[in-house]
Amino acid sequence: EPEVTQTPSHQVTQMGQEVILRCVPISNHLYFYWYRQILGQKVEFLVSFYNNEISEKSEIFDDQFSVERPDGSNFTLKIRSTKLEDSAMYFCASSEPDTRSSYNSPLHFGNGTRLTVT
Amino acid sequence: DQQVKQNSPSLSVQEGRISILNCDYTNSMFDYFLWYKKYPAEGPTFLISISSIKDKNEDGRFTVFLNKSAKHLSLHIVPSQPGDSAVYFCAARIDAGNNRKLIWGLGTSLAVNP
Repeated sequence: EPEVTQTPSHQVTQMGQEVILRCVPISNHLYFYWYRQILGQKVEFLVSFYNNEISEKSEIFDDQFSVERPDGSNFTLKIRSTKLEDSAMYFCASSEPDTRSSYNSPLHFGNGTRLTVT
Repeated sequence: DQQVKQNSPSLSVQEGRISILNCDYTNSMFDYFLWYKKYPAEGPTFLISISSIKDKNEDGRFTVFLNKSAKHLSLHIVPSQPGDSAVYFCAARIDAGNNRKLIWGLGTSLAVNP
């Protein structure tokens, strides 16, 4: 079964550094997402991406965050200047294009990247 | 702002018995509800969903019930198996065209004991 893959599985960075989290969504999917989960807290929506642009973003997704689909297969999340509170598990997800039968198609998640900011 | 609440952080069930996981929500605009299962060191995996126009959806051992008037849904697993031990998340969506943002509960950790 096709999978969403994320690299790296664990990223350690110093406060103020830039990080790029990488994701390869399922190939025929058109909707892409980033979520994060701070340890012990809820899974939180960050951003959704469709048709090469952000379709929605949360208040968490401020100017320090950006997303890109640079080459038609990768989907990246960049944090320009990391803060301690950015430490979390970051999940990439994708979902199918809309059809009559898959309008409510579920999100498929990768295994996450654990980001630790020191 | 807890629009989706899973009030039981953990549940322990004997193998072969029924597991019932509960979820409450506050936003009447939610049109679609999903349950995800998550094992340690893995991403959430879709389990089962239900549209707000239905009150029940069944898939093998898993059944989701929706009570719109009570703003309550539940996931039933029958019979429970040790491999079902995981964290179960309830998530809800507002119909917003291409904006498929999900609002998540905190999760319930299910332990199925052999």
